[in-house]
Amino acid sequence: AQSVSQHNHHVILSEAASLELGCNYSYGGTVNLFWYVQYPGQHLQLLLKYFSGDPLVKGIKGFEAEFIKSKFSFNLRKPSVQWSDTAEYFCAVNLFGNEKLTFGTGTRLTIIP
Amino acid sequence: DAGVIQSPRHEVTEMGQEVTLRCKPISGHDYLFWYRQTMMRGLELLIYFNNNVPIDDSGMPEDRFSAKMPNASFSTLKIQPSEPRDSAVYFCASSQRTGPSYYEQYFGPGTRLTVT
Repeated sequence: AQSVSQHNHHVILSEAASLELGCNYSYGGTVNLFWYVQYPGQHLQLLLKYFSGDPLVKGIKGFEAEFIKSKFSFNLRKPSVQWSDTAEYFCAVNLFGNEKLTFGTGTRLTIIP
Repeated sequence: DAGVIQSPRHEVTEMGQEVTLRCKPISGHDYLFWYRQTMMRGLELLIYFNNNVPIDDSGMPEDRFSAKMPNASFSTLKIQPSEPRDSAVYFCASSQRTGPSYYEQYFGPGTRLTVT
């Protein structure tokens, strides 16, 4: 079955630390990849997405992600986190041509001031 | 645009009662999705519509759940009868297949349902 794995369930970092959150998927075929963020008490918002082209994509708020096809991975990175990045982060995948998104279980990120 | 609108934002009901959740998608979007979020199961897709027609309802948990989209600007998710295990946050999202934001799903603020 198709699935999305986020192995980090809860990550705690100090401000200014670098961040990398893992995301792996098990899909055959061409995929579209997304990272969404959910700030406390709010709805999900898109951070960035990858459809094709340059495998390194840049999103809002200084986030970026790299698509490594051979590893079926789409890890999220940020060089220096801020307290305001405290949130839950979801990786999501769909097959090209299919609107249905499959979400990972999410990673809760806590930034300590 | 006001974004995806959901109502009510909070709903507390007793077991056995009927619950109706409402969603207004972004104008011009032709896809609408209903998700359920719980601590145990994360974010699950329940059903989605294209041009008001249900495309995939394989995520609907059981016959107690039903969803309709009578027109392009309104959808409902109904639970009858409700059970305590239905307690969750229910999100509605919409998207469009054309334009620069194609495939990007825009989420509503969610309805927090508590069934006692």
